[in-house]
Amino acid sequence: GQSLEQPSEVTAVEGAIVQINCTYQTSGFYGLSWYQQHDGGAPTFLSYNGLDGLEETGRFSSFLSRSDSYGYLLLQELQMKDSASYFCAVREYMIYNQGGKLIFGQGTELSVKP
Amino acid sequence: DAGVTQSPTHLIKTRGQHVTLRCSPISGHKSVSWYQQVLGQGPQFIFQYYEKEERGRGNFPDRFSARQFPNYSSELNVNALLLGDSALYLCASSIQRNEQFFGPGTRLTVL
Repeated sequence: GQSLEQPSEVTAVEGAIVQINCTYQTSGFYGLSWYQQHDGGAPTFLSYNGLDGLEETGRFSSFLSRSDSYGYLLLQELQMKDSASYFCAVREYMIYNQGGKLIFGQGTELSVKP
Repeated sequence: DAGVTQSPTHLIKTRGQHVTLRCSPISGHKSVSWYQQVLGQGPQFIFQYYEKEERGRGNFPDRFSARQFPNYSSELNVNALLLGDSALYLCASSIQRNEQFFGPGTRLTVL
């Protein structure tokens, strides 16, 4: 079957560092992506890992280990505006290098406290 | 540049009715995907269209159908609406392999 597991909620304080883990089991794998979604809004792309290792984009970093079917999103110097839902998503296939089916986890609700 | 646009933003229907949701991708994007997001869950893949052809279909009943037009905009149609179809319907467009750009969604309520 297809499944992605991530914690349902995480709480942290401003300025702290938080790690959101994601384990996956899918029939196809073309990379792990992370999306942020504020209440009722559009998911916005944060990061992508196609190969093992760490990708860094400003305060956000993402890691992938394909052998362990595991990845994480690391958020540093947390700000109140980072309070949102975070989704890991596996790209199950690729069509002519033009995106493809994303399988999303259930989401992790991050609450940043002052 | 405009992002992905969707219409309408909100919609209320009753059971048994049908609905048409519309999506305009970012200019130059030829791939459009549709997702359903039920409250408290992650988006679930419904369809992908590329160059006006269906390239992928998720685990949804035949009541769900879609099409893509020559200008790459897309419609999602749902027939015989059920209460369980109440959700946020998201459209995403992409031009490269790594990133999909999502629209603001259409909030569908079925009464």
